[in-house]
Amino acid sequence: LAKTTQPISMDSYEGQEVNITCSHNNIATNDYITWYQQFPSQGPRFIIQGYKTKVTNEVASLFIPADRKSSTLSLPRVSLSDTAVYYCLVGDAWGGTASKLTFGTGTRLQVTL
Amino acid sequence: ETGVTQTPRHLVMGMTNKKSLKCEQHLGHNAMYWYKQSAKKPLELMFVYSLEERVENNSVPSRFSPECPNSSHLFLHLHTLQPEDSALYLCASSQDDRGAKNIQYFGAGTRLSVL
Repeated sequence: LAKTTQPISMDSYEGQEVNITCSHNNIATNDYITWYQQFPSQGPRFIIQGYKTKVTNEVASLFIPADRKSSTLSLPRVSLSDTAVYYCLVGDAWGGTASKLTFGTGTRLQVTL
Repeated sequence: ETGVTQTPRHLVMGMTNKKSLKCEQHLGHNAMYWYKQSAKKPLELMFVYSLEERVENNSVPSRFSPECPNSSHLFLHLHTLQPEDSALYLCASSQDDRGAKNIQYFGAGTRLSVL
């Protein structure tokens, strides 16, 4: 199971682009990368998932370099409501149980005016 | 609204009480999970059910007893809890329990305080 490393915390001003990088040096061929967001006293919420290159949806982009040893979650023009903890998870896309994915401590993003 | 509903949202109980947490999912998923999140700690997986059968029990004390009567409902029965059991208890569901592509959908959680 690929271990992930993220910064403990980040600060940003409203309107800026925020990039949170996750390191997963021992990622395996079949591993997918998934990011979740969690607000205080709520359950985590799926943001985006990818395997390689770039994935974009209505809330974020996920950049994955060719070696896949890291990934970067990009939040465009953050607002105060993006203040949350962001988790990077890496695991076998098809094998093993989904429960083997561990959320870790995540990155606490604080957005201010 | 994630499609996963937990009740109650808040619960205060004494150490001798018996209570139950309820989770219901309206997503047609086959797998359901209980997590515990203590203050400033990562989520801890407690139990996993797949097609109403328990497939994982991560060394959880017997004072926590899960029940999955059908694929849409999951309960966590609590008895003789300790103050250190105070935490946010989260329920999640996914299409099935295999593979990282299975996205988990979480409820809002039950904030439990044990006095």
